[in-house]
Amino acid sequence: QVTLKESGTGILQPSQALSLTCSFSGFSLSTTGICVSWIRQPSGKGLEWLADICWDDGKGYNPSLKNRLSISKDTSNNQAFLKITSVDTADTATYYCARSTGSLYYFDYWGQGVMVTVSS
Amino acid sequence: DIQMTQSPASLSASLGETVTIECRASEDIYNGLAWYQQKPGKSPQLLIYNANSLHTGVPSRFSGSGSGTQYSLKINSLQSEDVASYFCQQYYDYLTFGSGTKLEIK
Repeated sequence: QVTLKESGTGILQPSQALSLTCSFSGFSLSTTGICVSWIRQPSGKGLEWLADICWDDGKGYNPSLKNRLSISKDTSNNQAFLKITSVDTADTATYYCARSTGSLYYFDYWGQGVMVTVSS
Repeated sequence: DIQMTQSPASLSASLGETVTIECRASEDIYNGLAWYQQKPGKSPQLLIYNANSLHTGVPSRFSGSGSGTQYSLKINSLQSEDVASYFCQQYYDYLTFGSGTKLEIK
């Protein structure tokens, strides 16, 4: 059974860094083809893909946010991480991690999401 | 960047009806399209991938079709549990999502 769960800082102030953790089970990030992405959704709005990391340590970033994002993984502990620097109110959203069976692909399993609020 | 234009933004239909949601890509995405269902307060769930392949466990009343730049999601025999927002996503060139369709029961 594949499950993913996000955790991270709930409330931040502008200019701080956001750190998110995706803890998963039922699959391994060392399995050929497997990737984990981060996607966010402001309340009542649409979805925005942020970044992915794959089994071979390949990484992809949304070009519009690339200079603020850093994705990494801990294969042994079944975790993926995302760091966003210099947050502002526009980064307020629910952040999801999701699994795919290829880089820049569709997502067959999603976490429940973690809400992040940026406010002064 | 490939833009995905999804329509309608909202939709109200009666139980048992058939509804269709559409996505238009700004260029050919060669069937690199998925559809997701997001129920209120929940995360998105995959319905359709590769434009017309039904994900495991998804009821057969959901179907996807299309090619080139035009794609659609059809829901036959609308059920109360289908109340949700629906999003398309292209994965031919990077990843972009449609703006969503909110489906309600009339």
